Amino acid sequence: GNSVTQMEGPVTLSEEAFLTINCTYTATGYPSLFWYVQYPGEGLQLLLKATKADDKGSNKGFEATYRKETTSFHLEKGSVQVSDSAVYFCALSGPGGGSARQLTFGSGTQLTVLP
Amino acid sequence: KAGVTQTPRYLIKTRGQQVTLSCSPISGHRSVSWYQQTPGQGLQFLFEYFSETQRNKGNFPGRFSGRQFSNSRSEMNVSTLELGDSALYLCASSLGLESYEQYFGPGTRLTVT
Repeated sequence: GNSVTQMEGPVTLSEEAFLTINCTYTATGYPSLFWYVQYPGEGLQLLLKATKADDKGSNKGFEATYRKETTSFHLEKGSVQVSDSAVYFCALSGPGGGSARQLTFGSGTQLTVLP
Repeated sequence: KAGVTQTPRYLIKTRGQQVTLSCSPISGHRSVSWYQQTPGQGLQFLFEYFSETQRNKGNFPGRFSGRQFSNSRSEMNVSTLELGDSALYLCASSLGLESYEQYFGPGTRLTVT
């Protein structure tokens, strides 16, 4: 079945540092890939997505590229801010219907950014 | 456009009781999925509803059930609550079966004592 392996946390960075959170996946075919962010006491927010190989998803300075050859979707940001402190989840869905539609999540990475 | 809403936000129940959680999807979204989030198990899929029909079910006991109404709003029910059911229950909506993007609500925090 589908699975997502995500970089273990927690990750602590100073403000303006470079961020990378690694994510690799196992799936049949070409799933859609996502990064979600969860702030304390809240639900998950869709941060970015990519639906096919070599697609780059981007939002709020965050980027991730769909790499089929390495089955990876690493999250990066050039300069993190204190407000980026949250838990980040890598996830996949599809292709196809039925059970393939459910989101499969990684374990989450807690990011803390210090001023 | 309003996001996914869930009610109530917080619940405290006693073991053996039952509970019903409610979810209103984004306007125009017809698919609703439910997930359970716990520190030990992470995020786990419960079920998906589309057009008032359950389309997919995760690996949870029959005590967990759901339904969807004609306006796409959904409810999930947990009967005979156990301590291990304490979790954040998240609802997510998507446009339909052709879309993989899911948008989440704020969740309902259920505590079973």
